Amino acid sequence: NAGVTQTPKFRVLKTGQSMTLLCAQDMNHEYMYWYRQDPGMGLRLIHYSVGEGTTAKGEVPDGYNVSRLKKQNFLLGLESAAPSQTSVYFCASHTGVPYPEAFFGQGTRLTVV
Amino acid sequence: GIQVEQSPPDLILQEGANSTLRCNFSDSVNNLQWFHQNPWGQLINLFYIPSGTKQNGRLSATTVATERYSLLYISSSQTTDSGVYFCAVERPNDYKLSFGAGTTVTVRA
Repeated sequence: NAGVTQTPKFRVLKTGQSMTLLCAQDMNHEYMYWYRQDPGMGLRLIHYSVGEGTTAKGEVPDGYNVSRLKKQNFLLGLESAAPSQTSVYFCASHTGVPYPEAFFGQGTRLTVV
Repeated sequence: GIQVEQSPPDLILQEGANSTLRCNFSDSVNNLQWFHQNPWGQLINLFYIPSGTKQNGRLSATTVATERYSLLYISSSQTTDSGVYFCAVERPNDYKLSFGAGTTVTVRA
């Protein structure tokens, strides 16, 4: 039972480089989310998806893009990384009401220098 | 968007003590969940509780939806209860699961 898997776990980027974070879930969940966690600020929603082929902006979407071409995968892209994007990124998924308990990946620690 | 406020921000407990964490939210919700983030960063779902009361071992939670708050009770705390506790909410037809800033709990032996 893999649950929610994030790839990679750690990454160091130089300012201006691009990268893609992959979130994969094997629970057939409809809803998927990308969050960033910074000290003292809880988890802030970047983008989310309510099903295959759909994406929507969350609270802090600037500088990020997402895609959900397959139901089980939710990709988060940084086109031109900035030091302000140094953070821990979490992916989550759930199946919706009446069982909307969210499951999280283990996180990706990203440092932009 | 919806505002989620958690209190207290920090809590230090002696092993065996009881405690109550609070989550206030600014709008009607159809989804409220409590999570525990352990010291290694892993987030675990504790409760899905949009209303009513639930219990799971030493943990219990109560949500009073009409008054827009939820409480998480930790009884007979253990060192393994240390970590950050988050409340997350979602408004009907909104699909955004929004988190509070969390309560950091430290349980000392």
